[in-house]
Amino acid sequence: DGGITQSPKYLFRKEGQNVTLSCEQNLNHDAMYWYRQDPGQGLRLIYYSQIVNDFQKGDIAEGYSVSREKKESFPLTVTSAQKNPTAFYLCASSPVWEGMGDTQYFGPGTRLTVL
Amino acid sequence: AQSVAQPEDQVNVAEGNPLTVKCTYSVSGNPYLFWYVQYPNRGLQFLLKYITGDNLVKGSYGFEAEFNKSQTSFHLKKPSALVSDSALYFCAVRDPLGGAGSYQLTFGKGTKLSVIP
Repeated sequence: DGGITQSPKYLFRKEGQNVTLSCEQNLNHDAMYWYRQDPGQGLRLIYYSQIVNDFQKGDIAEGYSVSREKKESFPLTVTSAQKNPTAFYLCASSPVWEGMGDTQYFGPGTRLTVL
Repeated sequence: AQSVAQPEDQVNVAEGNPLTVKCTYSVSGNPYLFWYVQYPNRGLQFLLKYITGDNLVKGSYGFEAEFNKSQTSFHLKKPSALVSDSALYFCAVRDPLGGAGSYQLTFGKGTKLSVIP
């Protein structure tokens, strides 16, 4: 899991609540990513950011929001608009100096459960 | 659009036997290909990648993968399986010609490897 930390490890949310998942990296990577993992579906990209104060929607951005105010941090907010938020959330980061060949390194994940 | 397929949901192999986890891909240009491993309730760990050059790529923990352009495959292999290799394996692809989404990695659905003692 390297120098990427995610907190909390487990998170429980009531219906209608917004929750924020933390992701911090000390690898000096420029790019950061959020993925959602559901059983049997692999990983799907929610948002990514290649530079501070800029981010792009991934394949399943609806119901989620992000910010990138610091290079080290890329928090993900799961809003009440996300109808099925129960999943395992993974944060990743990568350098950009290799171009398209950059390796993404993953954090340990946060398991979100809606009560 | 880029895509990757892992045709086997589960692979069982006896300890000490060679193992293969299959991956095929579809991209517009020359692919960048990655393998990751995930242990239960953990994040993904990088194993190896193919960018260019030698078609046989060696990675962590004795794993290797062979890039085959004509068959659009990137199968993961290990000569002798260990019980500790039991985990979920993901293949991923990036298409350099994918336009605005070129930095995205597209993942397969994963293959569960079980190594039987």
